Amino acid sequence: EIVMTQSPATLSVSPGERATLSCRASQSVSSNLAWYQQKPGQAPRLLIYGASTRATGIPARFSGSGSGTEFTLTISSLQSEDFAVYYCQQYNNWLYSFGQGTKLEIK
Amino acid sequence: EVQLVESGGVVVQPGGSLRLSCAASGFTFDDYTMHWVRQAPGKGLEWVSLISWDGGSTYYADSVKGRFTISRDNSKNSLYLQMNSLRTEDTALYYCAKDKTGFGYFDYWGQGTLVTVSS
Repeated sequence: EIVMTQSPATLSVSPGERATLSCRASQSVSSNLAWYQQKPGQAPRLLIYGASTRATGIPARFSGSGSGTEFTLTISSLQSEDFAVYYCQQYNNWLYSFGQGTKLEIK
Repeated sequence: EVQLVESGGVVVQPGGSLRLSCAASGFTFDDYTMHWVRQAPGKGLEWVSLISWDGGSTYYADSVKGRFTISRDNSKNSLYLQMNSLRTEDTALYYCAKDKTGFGYFDYWGQGTLVTVSS
């Protein structure tokens, strides 16, 4: 089983600033990495797949990078609607796994 | 518009059984692999199971293997999860999710149905 570890658990950032979220895989997942955003009471929303490809309708301020075992989600200028929990997910093999999440909160 | 609507979640005793359903619309259902993903209260996401477009391939997380069975009825645009030998740790919101390309990431999710396993 591939274990996904996200850091930090909670990130406090002011609106308009940049947020950088990290995700590490216990073994290489190539570029088979997705990011999701989840707001309270809502289902997750796909943001990024293939480590760096934005999903349909996702604003350009969201970007993903990395390959192998180290990945980053960057939100360039935080808007009020971006404060949420973010999950990474590997799909390198069928035993899919998620990170434990990073809560992005307003500073 | 893609819609996924889960149903069937209830309170059930440990050792009991339950069948969840997911009604799909707005896309060609039998073109896509489908998944169940769950989220325990206040916790993160856990992938549960997948079924290929034709039902010919199924996979399960180790935590549910041998107890849960995924199935689909393409004539009814519906996905199912039969849950047997339920445990308290199966308590969660169960989401139905559509696989974007068959590679294992999810572009549409339902709103979930809550399963509570408690005596």
